[in-house]
Amino acid sequence: QKEVEQNSGPLSVPEGAIASLNCTYSDRGSQSFFWYRQYSGKSPELIMSIYSNGDKEDGRFTAQLNKASQYVSLLIRDSQPSDSATYLCAVANAGGTSYGKLTFGQGTILTVHP
Amino acid sequence: DVKVTQSSRYLVKRTGEKVFLECVQDMDHENMFWYRQDPGLGLRLIYFSYDVKMKEKGDIPEGYSVSREKKERFSLILESASTNQTSMYLCASSLPNQGPYGYTFGSGTRLTVV
Repeated sequence: QKEVEQNSGPLSVPEGAIASLNCTYSDRGSQSFFWYRQYSGKSPELIMSIYSNGDKEDGRFTAQLNKASQYVSLLIRDSQPSDSATYLCAVANAGGTSYGKLTFGQGTILTVHP
Repeated sequence: DVKVTQSSRYLVKRTGEKVFLECVQDMDHENMFWYRQDPGLGLRLIYFSYDVKMKEKGDIPEGYSVSREKKERFSLILESASTNQTSMYLCASSLPNQGPYGYTFGSGTRLTVV
């Protein structure tokens, strides 16, 4: 079983719709969770971080965390063509020797069509 | 406003060559990481360093070594380049236990081994 798994893509949504990206993780002791956006040919950039159960909103983005279910999601409201990218879920490993390493999911390609 | 700089954006090397990939960060981060990214495989950790002269193997260290003589610089070395090391290489840095900011990535080096 992969440590961090994202819903298989690609995901295609119409402009203005809500895009829902999902991620599950296997390490129950994980404490920190991140969503990165990566445009084609570019490096990943951080868009959201979340640590506590519940929702965290930032503009059109909402991250949701459920530690009991080991599940984290990213909702993008009013999706725009400029949101078309690969979205990476990343989880910080727990434990004293983790040194803050992040484990990444394989990414979900999102396409927002006009 | 450049924070993590990778020395080359594109690199072409011959099989058997010794290859050096350089990464410099100006954020005084303790942690530095080298990942490779391949289609369908996501980001895979090669090596990381949590302090000067300290290094730890990641998930795929075979064929690679690293050097961290100064806090701001983390070098990835391909001892004898092979065609299966053709990939996008991403350097990242972070605070200890990454804090709320996760990783900051460099712009990446696309290496082709012929």
